[in-house]
Amino acid sequence: GAVVSQHPSWVICKSGTSVKIECRSLDFQATTMFWYRQFPKQSLMLMATSNEGSKATYEQGVEKDKFLINHASLTLSTLTVTSAHPEDSSFYICSAREGHTGSYNEQFFGPGTRLTVL
Amino acid sequence: AQSVTQPDIHITVSEGASLELRCNYSYGATPYLFWYVQSPGQGLQLLLKYFSGDTLVQGIKGFEAEFKRSQSSFNLRKPSVHWSDAAEYFCAVGAFQAGTALIFGKGTTLSVSS
Repeated sequence: GAVVSQHPSWVICKSGTSVKIECRSLDFQATTMFWYRQFPKQSLMLMATSNEGSKATYEQGVEKDKFLINHASLTLSTLTVTSAHPEDSSFYICSAREGHTGSYNEQFFGPGTRLTVL
Repeated sequence: AQSVTQPDIHITVSEGASLELRCNYSYGATPYLFWYVQSPGQGLQLLLKYFSGDTLVQGIKGFEAEFKRSQSSFNLRKPSVHWSDAAEYFCAVGAFQAGTALIFGKGTTLSVSS
């Protein structure tokens, strides 16, 4: 299957700082990318959907000014957690889909990024 | 509303015993169904998927799942569980439209006893 990478795999930062997480589709062009958040022992919750070259669409309850998403190319999306606080500590997982018409486009997942805010 | 229900939060199975994890979905469109497994601190691994055709699908690690449209279910099974199968299992449903994301169930934690 197609490969999605995330960088970094884990990050520790101080409260009040900003952290950027990169998500790359390595061998396909991702028309759409998704960002999920997973708290310990919980399921994946969709945060936002981004289409290349467009503004991201955020799920209800997700602060768009705190979680900045950029999808500037067909292979790269970034999630920036601004002014991070301990409650932002979580496992962030990105995924990507191609945009072929006429067939189902499977969603491929990155390995996740563990964010710890001190 | 679109949703995925995994009724069992935690299941314990003896090693060598059979396993069935339940998944029910509510989806307005034709569902594309998935099962993922996640070990602690790790990312998701796709076990199997159903798009169309034969309603019994085979996956990796000896897992299989059966799609039953009349029951809106996609239960995961394994005939003989190994200790290494202990993990979190997520059922997910998706749609054909390219811009729509998979919706996940809350997950079932599988413990394997010796």
